[in-house]
Amino acid sequence: NAGVMQNPRHLVRRRGQEARLRCSPMKGHSHVYWYRQLPEEGLKFMVYLQKENIIDESGMPKERFSAEFPKEGPSILRIQQVVRGDSAAYFCASSPTAGVDGYTFGSGTRLTVV
Amino acid sequence: DQQVKQNSPSLSVQEGRISILNCDYTNSMFDYFLWYKKYPAEGPTFLISISSIKDKNEDGRFTVFLNKSAKHLSLHIVPSQPGDSAVYFCAAGPRAAGNKLTFGGGTRVLVKP
Repeated sequence: NAGVMQNPRHLVRRRGQEARLRCSPMKGHSHVYWYRQLPEEGLKFMVYLQKENIIDESGMPKERFSAEFPKEGPSILRIQQVVRGDSAAYFCASSPTAGVDGYTFGSGTRLTVV
Repeated sequence: DQQVKQNSPSLSVQEGRISILNCDYTNSMFDYFLWYKKYPAEGPTFLISISSIKDKNEDGRFTVFLNKSAKHLSLHIVPSQPGDSAVYFCAAGPRAAGNKLTFGGGTRVLVKP
């Protein structure tokens, strides 16, 4: 029973490029959450999605960031025109139901912008 | 605006002794609290949780205490083991469907053999 799978584990992008981070939730989980961890800080909520719907994107920067969770395939967090400040660890969590008590986190994608 | 704060960035404890990690919150809407453990290059792993209707929850070596009037919770690990060396995050949220977690900044625990 595979856990939450995130890929790539490490991603290096030059300033101005696009970054695509993928998250495959656990089997049977239809709720996906994305969090970002800046160096030496805690995790900050970005977006909550269910299949084909964005439920809460209150933590997403207004520009350059977008997320989707299509009917088929993984959830994608997309960052356009990356800047150095986007360098962080991005974690995805999934749960079988809505609510904060069923989260399972993936191992994260470490994005480095050079 | 830090709604969840862990004021001790690090903690060092001898193997076999008690580790006490503290967490303060400000948002009265939070009614569910969790502790996560995180090793380097891995995602957070759920450790223990507590609902606001309780003041204590215990699971093996881990006990979480909640003081609602002080908006304070703590995690006790006893006895501490070298494998407990990790970063511990306190998290809180409204338990209602669809709401997100707010995390503290973490406490790095080092258990010395």
